[in-house]
Amino acid sequence: EAQVTQNPRYLITVTGKKLTVTCSQNMNHEYMSWYRQDPGLGLRQIYYSMNVEVTDKGDVPEGYKVSRKEKRNFPLILESPSPNQTSLYFCASSLADSYEQYFGPGTRLTVT
Amino acid sequence: DAKTTQPTSMDCAEGRAANLPCNHSTISGNEYVYWYRQIHSQGPQYIIHGLKNNETNEMASLIITEDRKSSTLILPHATLRDTAVYYCIGNMNYGGSQGNLIFGKGTKLSVKP
Repeated sequence: EAQVTQNPRYLITVTGKKLTVTCSQNMNHEYMSWYRQDPGLGLRQIYYSMNVEVTDKGDVPEGYKVSRKEKRNFPLILESPSPNQTSLYFCASSLADSYEQYFGPGTRLTVT
Repeated sequence: DAKTTQPTSMDCAEGRAANLPCNHSTISGNEYVYWYRQIHSQGPQYIIHGLKNNETNEMASLIITEDRKSSTLILPHATLRDTAVYYCIGNMNYGGSQGNLIFGKGTKLSVKP
């Protein structure tokens, strides 16, 4: 089944403890990105990647890192999480020339 | 990217057509209109997109006015499972760089029995 998977789905952590949220797609998509969703602010793009080893900042990249060493994986790294990064995170992917983005099921992160 | 305006919420009776409007008066000539929906905190789901012409797929129809300043998403026979927030997005597409979709507040559609 074609899909975007994220792990973990739920995570509660403490301020400053490094964490990684994984994202993987099995559709051979070139484009991958991360969004966060907060009440009243909608979805905002954090980082995106056009292909392997090519990443760039989205609208709200502060406090996040990404890497794209393999085409299928695009992990989101929070080196020192803070409470303002408590949010619902979505990974998305698409073919380079496609109009349709596929979203993962979301990761709900709480930083205390 | 074009700013879009949608009603905050709408109701629709099950089995009836749901018509969701969107204003995008600042849309430029090469910006597409996309529709996505999000069912209760799940990942957004692509529905349809269009540039100038009306479009139809297995999920919905998209009617774009001739001046392209507004559009309507039509779900022909709404079911309870269509209850979701529907987002209208104006965005250019340059192949891989189309990816930053600007999601506004969307329209919360409630389909009622």
